[in-house]
Amino acid sequence: AQSVTQLGSHVSVSEGALVLLRCNYSSSVPPYLFWYVQYPNQGLQLLLKYTTGATLVKGINGFEAEFKKSETSFHLTKPSAHMSDAAEYFCAVSDQAGTALIFGKGTTLSVSS
Amino acid sequence: DAGITQSPRHKVTETGTPVTLRCHQTENHRYMYWYRQDPGHGLRLIHYSYGVKDTDKGEVSDGYSVSRSKTEDFLLTLESATSSQTSVYFCAISDKGFSSGANVLTFGAGSRLTVL
Repeated sequence: AQSVTQLGSHVSVSEGALVLLRCNYSSSVPPYLFWYVQYPNQGLQLLLKYTTGATLVKGINGFEAEFKKSETSFHLTKPSAHMSDAAEYFCAVSDQAGTALIFGKGTTLSVSS
Repeated sequence: DAGITQSPRHKVTETGTPVTLRCHQTENHRYMYWYRQDPGHGLRLIHYSYGVKDTDKGEVSDGYSVSRSKTEDFLLTLESATSSQTSVYFCAISDKGFSSGANVLTFGAGSRLTVL
């Protein structure tokens, strides 16, 4: 069965520091992988998605993620954190039937000045 | 949240009462979903619909029912609300599934339900 595991429920960085949010997946079929962001009291917005082909995926707001099949990982990175990046981030994988997304438990990113 | 409206946005109710949450879309998308979000659990799928009158259960469907009589509306009903159903409920839409490509889900703003 498909699943995702987000390592670390809370990550804290300083403004200007590297952001690394970890996601590992389990999938019995070639996965489609996603990162969503949720700002306080809002719905989820798509950051980026992996289809097939290029393993390094660029998203909005300077975020990118690399699909590593050998490590079953899809970690999210940003070279330099900004205060506005403070939010909750969710990794997701398409389910085996291809009808819905399965989400991880989320990682809250805090950015300090 | 453009194209997706959830109502009500906030509701407080008592244990044992019925509750219906509505999701309305103007995108003419085929797929509609209800997820619940709880601290420490992320988002979990309750039910989804792949067309008018076509619905299926998700991971946490017990205690919930859904209906879709029109393309644009997807209703989530709690027949007899319990405190464990206190949560934030999100509707999402998609124009196609994920079996043929990396489609995306677009989410509504959420409905916060408190069951006392």
